[in-house]
Amino acid sequence: DVKVTQSSRYLVKRTGEKVFLECVQDMDHENMFWYRQDPGLGLRLIYFSYDVKMKEKGDIPEGYSVSREKKERFSLILESASTNQTSMYLCASSLFSRGLTEAFFGQGTRLTVV
Amino acid sequence: AQTVTQSQPEMSVQEAETVTLSCTYDTSESDYYLFWYKQPPSRQMILVIRQEAYKQQNATENRFSVNFQKAAKSFSLKISDSQLGDAAMYFCAYQARNRDDKIIFGKGTRLHILP
Repeated sequence: DVKVTQSSRYLVKRTGEKVFLECVQDMDHENMFWYRQDPGLGLRLIYFSYDVKMKEKGDIPEGYSVSREKKERFSLILESASTNQTSMYLCASSLFSRGLTEAFFGQGTRLTVV
Repeated sequence: AQTVTQSQPEMSVQEAETVTLSCTYDTSESDYYLFWYKQPPSRQMILVIRQEAYKQQNATENRFSVNFQKAAKSFSLKISDSQLGDAAMYFCAYQARNRDDKIIFGKGTRLHILP
């Protein structure tokens, strides 16, 4: 059974803290993604990675960075958390292929910055 | 840049009836994939159905089917015989078939099933 696991379901952090959101997949997928989900705005892509040590900015990378040192793990880093980063964060992975693939999602991390 | 638009923020349907969720997209690519994902309340996002752009035949998965109109850049989802378990947020998504495999999502449609 395929699995994408996010380290925390709920997280409360203080403004200015450095925050790490971890995501691990067990499917040997090349592609990994971090999305932010807000009501009325859908899913917005923060960063994605198509290989170890490779990363690409998505639509809203400001205030975030990522790390992918191993194929199975993709970390999202909030360098200095702010209240406007309070949101649901979704990690996903997919197999790179010239054929049709689907993304598998983690359960999400609901982050509150106070 | 590619965009995905879902014009219906919320919809309701009576149990056992049929409902259609709309999605339009914009791209200059000729080869791409389209998806519908479902996110039940407090549960993980899962794939409902997918379509390859080069295939003219509309995809079907049990009670779920799509109406793919490539020229119009339209990709609607039809749910037949709606069930209470179909209540969820539904997201339309696009992915170009190239090395840059980012997936672009619409804003979602919240579907309510009325008993």
